[in-house]
Amino acid sequence: EIVMTQSPATLSVSPGERATLSCRASQSVGNDLAWYQQKPGQAPRLLIYGASTRATGVPARFSGSGSGTEFTLTVSGLQSEDFAVYYCQQYHNWPPWTFGQGTKVEIK
Amino acid sequence: EVQLVQSGAEVKKPGESLTISCKGSGYSFTKHWISWVRQMPGKGLEWMGRIDPSDSYINYSPSFQGHVTISADKSISTVYLQWRSLKASDTAMYYCARRADNSGLGGWSDTWGQGTLVTVSS
Repeated sequence: EIVMTQSPATLSVSPGERATLSCRASQSVGNDLAWYQQKPGQAPRLLIYGASTRATGVPARFSGSGSGTEFTLTVSGLQSEDFAVYYCQQYHNWPPWTFGQGTKVEIK
Repeated sequence: EVQLVQSGAEVKKPGESLTISCKGSGYSFTKHWISWVRQMPGKGLEWMGRIDPSDSYINYSPSFQGHVTISADKSISTVYLQWRSLKASDTAMYYCARRADNSGLGGWSDTWGQGTLVTVSS
């Protein structure tokens, strides 16, 4: 099973600033990585797939990069609606598809 | 509009059985796998397994194999998650999610149900 490790656990950012979230895989997953956003009381929402492709309707301030074992989600110019928990997920080796433990982006 | 609508919240006692459901609409139901994802209180997302509604082929996560059963009825565009004997540790929110890629090996989920809260308590 591929283990996904996200860092940091919590990220404190001021509105308008940039947030950089990391996700590391225990072995290479190629580009088979997705990012999701989850707000309290809501289901997860797909942001990025294929490591860097934005899902339909996702603002351009969200960008994904990386390949192999190291991935980054960058949120540029954080807006109030972006404060949430973010999860990475690999779908390269399965079953199971595996998620990271999440990074909470909070208001500084 | 593509939608997954899940059944309502459940409160059960340990040892009881339970089936929750997830109904798809707005797309060709048999063309997209459906996964179940667990989220325990205050915790992260855990992939439980997936079903191909076209032929009911199933893969389970080793962590959930033998503890739950996934099934589908394509005639009513519905996928199910079943427990034979619930435990307190099954208390969680359960989401169904549609795999976006219906032709390749992509495993990202573009549509999620609203979640079903299962509470198991004596």
